Amino acid sequence: DVKVTQSSRYLVKRTGEKVFLECVQDMDHENMFWYRQDPGLGLRLIYFSYDVKMKEKGDIPEGYSVSREKKERFSLILESASTNQTSMYLCASSRSGISTDTQYFGPGTRLTVL
Amino acid sequence: AQKVTQAQTEISVVEKEDVTLDCVYETRDTTYYLFWYKQPPSGELVFLIRRNSFDEQNEISGRYSWNFQKSTSSFNFTITASQVVDSAVYFCALSEYTGGFKTIFGAGTRLFVKA
Repeated sequence: DVKVTQSSRYLVKRTGEKVFLECVQDMDHENMFWYRQDPGLGLRLIYFSYDVKMKEKGDIPEGYSVSREKKERFSLILESASTNQTSMYLCASSRSGISTDTQYFGPGTRLTVL
Repeated sequence: AQKVTQAQTEISVVEKEDVTLDCVYETRDTTYYLFWYKQPPSGELVFLIRRNSFDEQNEISGRYSWNFQKSTSSFNFTITASQVVDSAVYFCALSEYTGGFKTIFGAGTRLFVKA
């Protein structure tokens, strides 16, 4: 079974703090993704990575950056957290370079920025 | 442009009722894939089904069934004899073959199944 883990289930941070969200997958997947989920908006893609050190912006990259130094790990960074970044953050991975491959998700991190 | 519409925001049923969750999509590609995911209260999205655009056969898996109609651009999901454990948010999603790495998700339908 594919296992995608995220470092925290719940996180509370203050405005202006630098926030790191970590995601690890154990199935040697090429692709990794970060989404945010907000009520009524579904999942929106922040960034994705198709290889180590490679990244592409998604639909809402502003205010975020990412890092992928190892194949199994994909980090999402909020350089200076703001209250409008309060959300549920979901990490996913998929097997190969095929865009239509199934994505497998982690349990999510619910981030609150005060 | 690709788009996925789940018009039902919330549905509430009583246990053992059948329920259908609607999904309508827009795409210009002839090759694409459709997905359904379940998100229980624990938060993790669970993959349910992946269907390519060339396979219009309906699929049944236990109490779950999916009806893919290219003529109406719909990929509806039916739960037969619903159970309380089916309570979750369900997402329909679309990936185009030429869409790079993007998967577009619908807004989700929250299903409440009451005992």
